[in-house]
Amino acid sequence: NAGVTQTPKFQVLKTGQSMTLQCAQDMNHNSMYWYRQDPGMGLRLIYYSASEGTTDKGEVPNGYNVSRLNKREFSLRLESAAPSQTSVYFCASSARDRGYGGRGELFFGEGSRLTVL
Amino acid sequence: DAKTTQPPSMDCAEGRAANLPCNHSTISGNEYVYWYRQIHSQGPQYIIHGLKNNETNEMASLIITEDRKSSTLILPHATLRDTAVYYCIVRAYGNKLVFGAGTILRVKS
Repeated sequence: NAGVTQTPKFQVLKTGQSMTLQCAQDMNHNSMYWYRQDPGMGLRLIYYSASEGTTDKGEVPNGYNVSRLNKREFSLRLESAAPSQTSVYFCASSARDRGYGGRGELFFGEGSRLTVL
Repeated sequence: DAKTTQPPSMDCAEGRAANLPCNHSTISGNEYVYWYRQIHSQGPQYIIHGLKNNETNEMASLIITEDRKSSTLILPHATLRDTAVYYCIVRAYGNKLVFGAGTILRVKS
């Protein structure tokens, strides 16, 4: 049982290049999230998907796009990378909240470390 | 969701109880108190959450004041492996989880 898997784990880009971070979960969770964490800072929500087929903006969505490909997969795309997007990116998933049969805890991947030069 | 206030850092002796406070004075009736921790560059890990009753699991205990304006996470016998950033988050079911700066807990031998 792998949980939440992110690829790639490390990536170096030049300014203006594009790339997609992939995330997959095997826990049959409905909700998925993308966070970024800058050095010495807490996590900030970029986008989330409450269920398959829906996506919503978080705190810092500018410069990113997402795709909920199916229930398992949620990708994050940087169309034109900028140095300000140098960060560690975490994907997470959660089952339904307690009111709907779960308890809403988030399970996180190991992170993808992105450097934009 | 209501905001939370945590001390930026705390120290604890190994083997002693670690008590991490959190203020959430604007919490609403349908908002839960969640605790997560992040051990050096890993993804955050869920610890516990509660609404108004005290909660205990294999990792920790959560004590919520009667007026729900503050709470304390208790690690009963802290070990060096408990050194981490601890996040207190207030969230209503169905809402997204928003992290603050958290408390850096240093467990020392």
